[in-house]
Amino acid sequence: AQSVTQPDIHITVSEGASLELRCNYSYGATPYLFWYVQSPGQGLQLLLKYFSGDTLVQGIKGFEAEFKRSQSSFNLRKPSVHWSDAAEYFCAVGSYGNKLVFGAGTILRVKS
Amino acid sequence: GAVVSQHPSWVICKSGTSVKIECRSLDFQATTMFWYRQFPKQSLMLMATSNEGSKATYEQGVEKDKFLINHASLTLSTLTVTSAHPEDSSFYICSASSGGTSGRGLLRNEQFFGPGTRLTVL
Repeated sequence: AQSVTQPDIHITVSEGASLELRCNYSYGATPYLFWYVQSPGQGLQLLLKYFSGDTLVQGIKGFEAEFKRSQSSFNLRKPSVHWSDAAEYFCAVGSYGNKLVFGAGTILRVKS
Repeated sequence: GAVVSQHPSWVICKSGTSVKIECRSLDFQATTMFWYRQFPKQSLMLMATSNEGSKATYEQGVEKDKFLINHASLTLSTLTVTSAHPEDSSFYICSASSGGTSGRGLLRNEQFFGPGTRLTVL
């Protein structure tokens, strides 16, 4: 069965520091991979997605993610975090039947 | 991006009553809508997929008689929690997509998420 693991429940980084959020997936074929961000009171917003091609994907708000098939990973990165990036981040894999399977999420705290 | 609204944003009801949650795509036609449930500090769990004009497809373990889903138009889907109990208290989120349902192609059409509805059953 498809699954997504986000090993870090909480991460705290200083404003201006770099960020990496980890995501590992389990999927039998070439995965469709997504990162979403959820702010309090807001719906999930798509940051970026990977379907095929270049394994380094650029997204909105300065985020990027790299698909590594050998490691079954799709880690999200940002070179310099802003206080407004504090939110919860979800990695997801596209599953059979056109569904999304989400990881448990990582809460990002940004300290000034 | 496209906008999806949910109403109400929060609701408190007594045990045994029914609650209806609306999900609307405001500026696009949603061929497919999805309903998720999110428990505190947990991920989103897909409850069901609904296509306009068709019966919803429920995930394993989701009681279709308890969680009634109607997708009567291309801009509106409703989730009715019937005879609600405290264990139904949760955060319910919908998403909408304008894509079709063939293979994984649908995933190439982005799902746009609503802000969620917090249901508390007393």
